[in-house]
Amino acid sequence: QVQLVESGGGLVKPGGSLRLSCAASGFTFTDYYMSWIRQAPGKGLEWVSYISSSGTTIYYADSVKGRFTISRDNAKNSLYLQMNSLRAEDTAIYYCATGWKFGESWGQGTLVTVSS
Amino acid sequence: EIVLTQSPGTLSLSPGERATLSCRASQSVSTRFLAWYQQKPGQAPRLLIYGASTRATGIPDRFGGSGSGTDFTLTISRLEPEDFVVYYCQQYGGSPRTFGQGTKVEIK
Repeated sequence: QVQLVESGGGLVKPGGSLRLSCAASGFTFTDYYMSWIRQAPGKGLEWVSYISSSGTTIYYADSVKGRFTISRDNAKNSLYLQMNSLRAEDTAIYYCATGWKFGESWGQGTLVTVSS
Repeated sequence: EIVLTQSPGTLSLSPGERATLSCRASQSVSTRFLAWYQQKPGQAPRLLIYGASTRATGIPDRFGGSGSGTDFTLTISRLEPEDFVVYYCQQYGGSPRTFGQGTKVEIK
């Protein structure tokens, strides 16, 4: 069955960087677009980014454009999110999910806290 | 950007009752590109419905979706104890993908 395991979250100061990873198993990774979706504590959901199966098509929300970079390594069945110039408003649980239209399967999430 | 407004914010019902959750879009959602999710406390959202009315794999048939244009509905025909959680709608007919703010279904 589909398994998505995020890692790399933690506490970082404003202006700092983090790299999130998502290890995928139980499905053919190269068949799927992949996405990052975030949820601020006690708040709603925001689609952050998605990437096509080959990596040639990429989308970013305006709120992260120019600061975040999505990538994937199909040989390692892994998805990444490089987050630079982090702000307090980036504090959230970050989920990786299969798909780019809707989130078909989701990981358990990794918490990113941006605070001084 | 398509804004989704869910109502009510909180729905108080008893087990066995029927739940009707609304999702209204600020502009027409093309080709019924609307999904519904369920989120339990401390867990990731789970896909329930896509294409406005197609149940995702493994979703019980007490969950049903309907609607088109700007008005969509999630119906839970008979509430089970595990259904008293939060539900979100999400549109994928436009960019960016956007979510509603959620409806909490609580035990009356």
